[in-house]
Amino acid sequence: SQTIHQWPATLVQPVGSPLSLECTVEGTSNPNLYWYRQAAGRGLQLLFYSVGIGQISSEVPQNLSASRPQDRQFILSSKKLLLSDSGFYLCAWSVPGSNYGYTFGSGTRLTVV
Amino acid sequence: KQEVTQIPAALSVPEGENLVLNCSFTDSAIYNLQWFRQDPGKGLTSLLLIQSSQREQTSGRLNASLDKSSGRSTLYIAASQPGDSATYLCAVTFSGGYNKLIFGAGTRLAVHP
Repeated sequence: SQTIHQWPATLVQPVGSPLSLECTVEGTSNPNLYWYRQAAGRGLQLLFYSVGIGQISSEVPQNLSASRPQDRQFILSSKKLLLSDSGFYLCAWSVPGSNYGYTFGSGTRLTVV
Repeated sequence: KQEVTQIPAALSVPEGENLVLNCSFTDSAIYNLQWFRQDPGKGLTSLLLIQSSQREQTSGRLNASLDKSSGRSTLYIAASQPGDSATYLCAVTFSGGYNKLIFGAGTRLAVHP
């Protein structure tokens, strides 16, 4: 069966520090991968999506970047965190061309102090 | 612009009531529609997925309907229980491109004993 792993679950980082959040998917090949952010009191916003290794599309301009070094690995990064980067980050995957919908990871709560 | 709207934003009901959550979307060209549940500080759990060719889906006490022509979906919860308390999110995959999933802001449900 397909599973999605996201870590860490919580993270407190000082302003100006780097960030690396990792997401891995098991049990499927060539998934579409996504990073969403949920800021306090706001809805889910799509940050990045990837349809293949090394293929990253950004939905909104921001202080973050994403990479996909392997088929089932998706990484969210920042060189210098801002206070506004605080939020709940969720990774998700879907099967291209299918109607199975999206499956989400358990999320990472990031607090920038 | 493709948007998803959910009403009400919050709902508080006594245990045992049947209730309806509403979702509307701006573009009838959809691939599918998903209802998710989110507990505080947690990831998203998929409840029901309705394909564009379907009118409704049922799972236990949950029933979701889809009317593409009017751009509406409803989530019906029968005999509500305190354990149903959570935020319910409606998300639409619009046709075209890579099938982007767009979320509504959610309905925060509280079921009190």
